[in-house]
Amino acid sequence: DTAVSQTPKYLVTQMGNDKSIKCEQNLGHDTMYWYKQDSKKFLKIMFSYNNKELIINETVPNRFSPKSPDKAHLNLHINSLELGDSAVYFCASSLMQGEMDEQFFGPGTRLTVL
Amino acid sequence: KQEVTQIPAALSVPEGENLVLNCSFTDSAIYNLQWFRQDPGKGLTSLLLIQSSQREQTSGRLNASLDKSSGRSTLYIAASQPGDSATYLCAASLYTDKLIFGTGTRLQVFP
Repeated sequence: DTAVSQTPKYLVTQMGNDKSIKCEQNLGHDTMYWYKQDSKKFLKIMFSYNNKELIINETVPNRFSPKSPDKAHLNLHINSLELGDSAVYFCASSLMQGEMDEQFFGPGTRLTVL
Repeated sequence: KQEVTQIPAALSVPEGENLVLNCSFTDSAIYNLQWFRQDPGKGLTSLLLIQSSQREQTSGRLNASLDKSSGRSTLYIAASQPGDSATYLCAASLYTDKLIFGTGTRLQVFP
């Protein structure tokens, strides 16, 4: 009965490779997000999608491309990986209810770029 | 630009103490404020959400207050237990529903 799930949990890859992280939520939410947690544990939003449409893009390099095939999925594709991309990436979802909006997070994907 | 900070950065206390974790934000135009818990190597667990029109929320031994005018939120943990050891994050939600996270308070409760 997992609410927000991400795959893979760990991802180790070489610089220059292209990789994807998948996210799925079974909460019936219409908004999904990607956050990045850096080595200092600081969490920052990257993207958000509402009903498959991009609504937030926080000046993320265009090597990062989110893809939302439907409301329940928001995948993150990263091209030409760099050392600085190493971080933990969290997916989240919410119902976008204004001040009642509560975001629920997935378990995270730890990406290590060598 | 919204900035969220948390004090203290780390806290180590004996079991049974009542704790106060502080969160401050620079822009009072928030939708709500959420408190999360993050265990090492794990995801975030939502603890409490306070809507901008509310002053506080309670869940078990946790109580969170919100004072928009002063840009502050406080998380009270009563009768702390070793199982409360984790990093506590506050996050302010802006009108776009994006969360701006604080820097976190790393809590250790020892027996």
